[in-house]
Amino acid sequence: NAGVTQTPKFRVLKTGQSMTLLCAQDMNHEYMYWYRQDPGMGLRLIHYSVGEGTTAKGEVPDGYNVSRLKKQNFLLGLESAAPSQTSVYFCASAHAGGQGVYGYTFGSGTRLTVV
Amino acid sequence: AQSVAQPEDQVNVAEGNPLTVKCTYSVSGNPYLFWYVQYPNRGLQFLLKYITGDNLVKGSYGFEAEFNKSQTSFHLKKPSALVSDSALYFCAVRDPSSGNTGKLIFGQGTTLQVKP
Repeated sequence: NAGVTQTPKFRVLKTGQSMTLLCAQDMNHEYMYWYRQDPGMGLRLIHYSVGEGTTAKGEVPDGYNVSRLKKQNFLLGLESAAPSQTSVYFCASAHAGGQGVYGYTFGSGTRLTVV
Repeated sequence: AQSVAQPEDQVNVAEGNPLTVKCTYSVSGNPYLFWYVQYPNRGLQFLLKYITGDNLVKGSYGFEAEFNKSQTSFHLKKPSALVSDSALYFCAVRDPSSGNTGKLIFGQGTTLQVKP
């Protein structure tokens, strides 16, 4: 049972380089999210998607772009990496039931270092 | 603004003693509340959630949490701590003001250290 898979798991980038983080889920979830985790700050929402073809900004969207062309995939892009984007990135997916959105599954994270 | 606070950066407890990790929230509307645990270099693992119903929620690994609406708290508890419980714990609330987006707001995390 794969759940939510994030690739890559680790990456080192030079300032100004670009990269794409991939999140794939096999649970047919409608909702997907990208968070970043920084020490002492918990997880902060970067972007999210409530369905295929839709995306929206979260709390800290600057410097990132996302796409959800397929329901199972949610891509996070960094066009020009900066040291401030050094972080651990988590993807999550969620399903909704009669009580709304409440069933979340998280990936294992991508540790990104920008030098 | 919607927020979640975990007032303690670190909680230290001796093995076998009860533990409490505190969480308070500030949201408008009825909150959905969650606890997650993160072991070193791992992702977030779900422990328990409160959506509605009984204020005392039982979760994985012997953890439980009590929803207290008047105190806007959702403290995590365990009657007898294990060394293997040592990890980083996050409280989160689903933002009820965000419509049906399911956005979670996280606290800053509390490191639990259980000493033998």
